[in-house]
Amino acid sequence: AQSVTQLGSHVSVSEGALVLLRCNYSSSVPPYLFWYVQYPNQGLQLLLKYTSAATLVKGINGFEAEFKKSETSFHLTKPSAHMSDAAEYFCAVSDQAAGNKLTFGGGTRVLVKP
Amino acid sequence: DSGVTQTPKHLITATGQRVTLRCSPRSGDLSVYWYQQSLDQGLQFLIHYYNGEERAKGNILERFSAQQFPDLHSELNLSSLELGDSALYFCASSVGQGPQETQYFGPGTRLLVL
Repeated sequence: AQSVTQLGSHVSVSEGALVLLRCNYSSSVPPYLFWYVQYPNQGLQLLLKYTSAATLVKGINGFEAEFKKSETSFHLTKPSAHMSDAAEYFCAVSDQAAGNKLTFGGGTRVLVKP
Repeated sequence: DSGVTQTPKHLITATGQRVTLRCSPRSGDLSVYWYQQSLDQGLQFLIHYYNGEERAKGNILERFSAQQFPDLHSELNLSSLELGDSALYFCASSVGQGPQETQYFGPGTRLLVL
């Protein structure tokens, strides 16, 4: 079975500082990986996805993630945090053997300090 | 706006009752996924329908059932409700399969069982 682990349920960053959210996955097949963001009282919005093309994936709102097979990681970064980045972020892996259902990590809530 | 709509937005009901949650996928999307988000379990996959047929089941209770209609909208039925069923229920829709598939989430239905 596939699984996703997000290290750190809460991250606090200063405005303008680097945002780094960690995600490690477990998959028996080459994974399709996703990052979603959830703003308060809203649904999940896709930030970016990895589907075995380029290992560095660029997403919306200045976010990017790097797929590292040797480390089974897919960490999300943004060079400079903005107040509007305060939200909860979820890493997910698609289970191709089970109709492409998404298995999510526990989420990381980001607080941006002025 | 993802193009996926869910109704109602909020639902308050009592234990033992039955409710129906509705999801309309994006135009052209054949797949509908249902997920449950709760504080203790996180985001969990419930069930997947593709063009009216059930494709995969996750941790869905026997008290829960779903269907996808010919017009591709889907309904999630929750019966004999318990306090622990209080959660945010999301549906997501997608088109395409494999690496081309991306799930787009609706805004969710927040269910409170009293």
